[in-house]
Amino acid sequence: QSVLTQPPSVSEAPRQRVTISCSGSSSNIGNNAVNWYQQLPGKAPKLLIYYDDLLPSGVSDRFSGSKSGTSASLAISGLQSEDEADYYCAAWDDSLNGLVFGGGTKLTVL
Amino acid sequence: QITLKESGPTLVKPTQTLTLTCTFSGFSLSTSGVGVGWIRQPPGKALEWLALIYWDDDKRYSPSLKSRLTITKDTSKNQVVLTMTNMDPVDTATYYCARYYDSSGPHGYFDYWGQGTLVTVSS
Repeated sequence: QSVLTQPPSVSEAPRQRVTISCSGSSSNIGNNAVNWYQQLPGKAPKLLIYYDDLLPSGVSDRFSGSKSGTSASLAISGLQSEDEADYYCAAWDDSLNGLVFGGGTKLTVL
Repeated sequence: QITLKESGPTLVKPTQTLTLTCTFSGFSLSTSGVGVGWIRQPPGKALEWLALIYWDDDKRYSPSLKSRLTITKDTSKNQVVLTMTNMDPVDTATYYCARYYDSSGPHGYFDYWGQGTLVTVSS
């Protein structure tokens, strides 16, 4: 049971927009920045969004992040087949004094 | 160019101690705001954070595994070592090391990852 809650899976058609939610609490998302990672099949995770809504250099602007209260969201617009991956949110947890990851969301592009 | 690479045994027996080394290049672990962390992923499961060591030698551990973990750094060798005692089959996982960067405090993110190394715990 992960501290951060994500839907196990989402699916959407190509060229559409999808959002992935990440729900936490006041000790993590509510008080600290959220980062998102993309893990393509068989690969290491890759930083996708940092500090809630910032894109690392080289990441497509089809990806965006947002946060409100104790929840965060990752949005992907103009879905492409290569976006099929597992997506993880992460944040520092003040109560645990450590990092926590969400359970991951598997994105399927129909 | 920043790279990280994990090394260590691929097979350990139950109750043994696992020692993993992360060898990195392209950055210094003596630079303010920089750290190296370990994250693992059991087959088909989610990522789990294990430990983190900062440039100033501050260390953080996953509360659920703290009693079994030790993280150290050798700045001159550009290496970070993680030891995990009393290994069990449930510890079978791919273990990743990653650079942790705090560009705007108080906490950071893993911006560069190693390829990971699969460790199997079995007798």
